[in-house]
Amino acid sequence: EAGVAQSPRYKIIEKRQSVAFWCNPISGHATLYWYQQILGQGPKLLIQFQNNGVVDDSQLPKDRFSAERLKGVDSTLKIQPAKLEDSAVYLCASSLEGFGNQPQHFGDGTRLSIL
Amino acid sequence: GENVEQHPSTLSVQEGDSAVIKCTYSDSASNYFPWYKQELGKGPQLIIDIRSNVGEKKDQRIAVTLNKTAKHFSLHITETQPEDSAVYFCAASRDGGGTGFQKLVFGTGTRLLVSP
Repeated sequence: EAGVAQSPRYKIIEKRQSVAFWCNPISGHATLYWYQQILGQGPKLLIQFQNNGVVDDSQLPKDRFSAERLKGVDSTLKIQPAKLEDSAVYLCASSLEGFGNQPQHFGDGTRLSIL
Repeated sequence: GENVEQHPSTLSVQEGDSAVIKCTYSDSASNYFPWYKQELGKGPQLIIDIRSNVGEKKDQRIAVTLNKTAKHFSLHITETQPEDSAVYFCAASRDGGGTGFQKLVFGTGTRLLVSP
């Protein structure tokens, strides 16, 4: 089965610019997650979708970050305006369901550098 | 909220030796503990997981043990090979509390280097 697809793989922007990332989860997975991984740290959950609804966005900096999953499949994560501290790898993951502790499967991420 | 601590931060072993990575968690309600391997430029890959109703689980050269009383769990890799070199993350979650949805909290990672 195809894995979680993410694009672009790399992005370099200047602070205060905007950027968007795209994720296509594993087919049939109802739950999609966006994580932020700062260099040298473990992934940190930003937002979790169950189908096209948000179930947890408590750690999403909503003044600058937004995400959507309009048709319950693909998702986009946007940052506007970017800050220097947003430099990180943005990982997308998916699981069959978001409850019952289903295994999460990760994409290879988008590495974002803010100049 | 949940807090996961992981040790050591780096681990160097000779090929064929065993490697052990340890994690502790704070939330006694956590009941799912996966381990991920992350190679350079790649996303985390699930290598093994354990649920709170099991004390130990093995998969070929990899095993995980769980001590619920002490709130710690460990990854054991036997007969290490150079291709085992990577960053390993532990994580913990419970069934989402009131929302019913799980929330994984990751440790800070262990960089494992296996020398030929």
